[in-house]
Amino acid sequence: QKEVEQNSGPLSVPEGAIASLNCTYSDRGSQSFFWYRQYSGKSPELIMSIYSNGDKEDGRFTAQLNKASQYVSLLIRDSQPSDSATYLCAVIEGSGNTGKLIFGQGTTLQVKP
Amino acid sequence: GAVVSQHPSWVICKSGTSVKIECRSLDFQATTMFWYRQFPKQSLMLMATSNEGSKATYEQGVEKDKFLINHASLTLSTLTVTSAHPEDSSFYICSASMGGITDTQYFGPGTRLTVL
Repeated sequence: QKEVEQNSGPLSVPEGAIASLNCTYSDRGSQSFFWYRQYSGKSPELIMSIYSNGDKEDGRFTAQLNKASQYVSLLIRDSQPSDSATYLCAVIEGSGNTGKLIFGQGTTLQVKP
Repeated sequence: GAVVSQHPSWVICKSGTSVKIECRSLDFQATTMFWYRQFPKQSLMLMATSNEGSKATYEQGVEKDKFLINHASLTLSTLTVTSAHPEDSSFYICSASMGGITDTQYFGPGTRLTVL
């Protein structure tokens, strides 16, 4: 069973702090990794994609990938109350050429003013 | 860019009726579209994968005769919930990919279905 694991949280950080969200995956064949943000009652919104080992920065967001450790993370700098949401880690299935996403359960982030 | 729309955004229907949900990629051609459902406080559950012009591939446990999927063009896929029952009430979300097995999925805003 291919799995993506996330701590469900809630992760609570004060406004302005760095929020660190972590994710591990079991499928060594996976090559594509994504972070989505989902507000309550809404559909997922793409934040970042990452395909290569190392860091990828986009504004206040930095995604980090370590394929050897099968680990991907998302850092949110200068966290704002509007960042409060569930963050979904997703990995494209490594085999079968299906393009199917395997989602983690999501980490709930609470940014307190 | 990469905008996906869904219609309707919400629907209430009587038990036994059928409901059609449309998913459109507005500014790109979607080689592959995916249909998910999500129950409260749970993660997304993939129902099926559809490629333009071919039959959808359903996930294990999803009844293909109950959830009819048609991917008629590179910008439109439809999901029809046939003979809906209260247990079919859920949040249905589609996503679209431009192509390639590693390509990003862009999600529609979702359709909330309530079956009375």
